[in-house]
Amino acid sequence: AQTVTQSQPEMSVQEAETVTLSCTYDTSESDYYLFWYKQPPSRQMILVIRQEAYKQQNATENRFSVNFQKAAKSFSLKISDSQLGDAAMYFCAYSSGTYKYIFGTGTRLKVLA
Amino acid sequence: EAGVVQSPRYKIIEKKQPVAFWCNPISGHNTLYWYLQNLGQGPELLIRYENEEAVDDSQLPKDRFSAERLKGVDSTLKIQPAELGDSAVYLCASSLGATGRGTQYFGPGTRLTVL
Repeated sequence: AQTVTQSQPEMSVQEAETVTLSCTYDTSESDYYLFWYKQPPSRQMILVIRQEAYKQQNATENRFSVNFQKAAKSFSLKISDSQLGDAAMYFCAYSSGTYKYIFGTGTRLKVLA
Repeated sequence: EAGVVQSPRYKIIEKKQPVAFWCNPISGHNTLYWYLQNLGQGPELLIRYENEEAVDDSQLPKDRFSAERLKGVDSTLKIQPAELGDSAVYLCASSLGATGRGTQYFGPGTRLTVL
């Protein structure tokens, strides 16, 4: 069965600095998708970034980028120039042909002014 | 474009009472998901619909939970009777297409408190 592991329950970063959130997953499938979702205290989950496993190039969205290591089954999120509005829970998620999303337990990111 | 709409946002009930949650997905999204999210945890799938068909309800506690998606648009999740352990946030999400790999768009959730 597929699993998603986020080993950092909480991270802190100074405003304007860079932080990396870790995610590892386990699967025997070759075709799948990986996502990072952000959930601010208001609870609405928002997609941050998405990576297709067949693509070697790491996805980027403005200040957000991923380091996708398929062989190592690692999918980390880098946030550059951190802003106060980045403070939230971040969830790593996996999806494949079974159409089911599997979420990690989340990492709470605190941004210090 | 309107996002996923859920109501109510908050619900407080006493145990053994029934409760229902409503979700209206993004227009055109044929896949709808109901998740349960406990405090400090990631969402856990309860049921997934492709149009009006429930294609994955293996995690839905069918003795007390039921769901429907009439006409393949909006959906209702019901708990009867509610138990103390049902206190959680219930999230609805939708995605476009039957591939299941599409990006999921989430509603704001309903926070249920069972006293």
